[in-house]
Amino acid sequence: KQEVTQIPAALSVPEGENLVLNCSFTDSAIYNLQWFRQDPGKGLTSLLLIQSSQREQTSGRLNASLDKSSGRSTLYIAASQPGDSATYLCAVGAQKLVFGQGTRLTINP
Amino acid sequence: GAVVSQHPSRVICKSGTSVKIECRSLDFQATTMFWYRQFPKQSLMLMATSNEGSKATYEQGVEKDKFLINHASLTLSTLTVTSAHPEDSSFYICSARPPGANSPLHFGNGTRLTVT
Repeated sequence: KQEVTQIPAALSVPEGENLVLNCSFTDSAIYNLQWFRQDPGKGLTSLLLIQSSQREQTSGRLNASLDKSSGRSTLYIAASQPGDSATYLCAVGAQKLVFGQGTRLTINP
Repeated sequence: GAVVSQHPSRVICKSGTSVKIECRSLDFQATTMFWYRQFPKQSLMLMATSNEGSKATYEQGVEKDKFLINHASLTLSTLTVTSAHPEDSSFYICSARPPGANSPLHFGNGTRLTVT
């Protein structure tokens, strides 16, 4: 059974810092890995999708990497801004996604 | 981009009543949609897979008679929470994937259900 773990559970950093969020999964036979953002009381916004054959994806200040052999993915956020404050979730799977618990990120002005 | 719309965004109901939540894919057809549930400060858990024109597939531990799913068209799936109880209070989110093998899943904005 696939299990997804995200650490840290919460992170607070000053504005402008670069930061890394971590995601690990137990079964390396994944199809896709997707990173989402969730604002309080809202649904999910898809940030990046990495196919199992890929090693990374980039979108603006976001870069996500995938290392299937070690069962890990990282989400790198460059030059963080207060508007980046949200909960970040990673999920693995094709249609049925298995989610991590999320990292609650706070960017302090 | 692909949009998934969910309605209502919030609903408060009394114990014993039923509540229907709608999930629509606005600019694409979805033969399959997914319903998730999220308790406070917890992650999303898949409840069921909604299949257009056929029965939904429920995850282990999810009562199919309590959470009725209907996927009557390629753009609409509904989740009905029957005889709701306070422990059903949660955040319900649907998702769908546009056509294309590597397209990402898109999620609705969720429905906050409070049962009093």
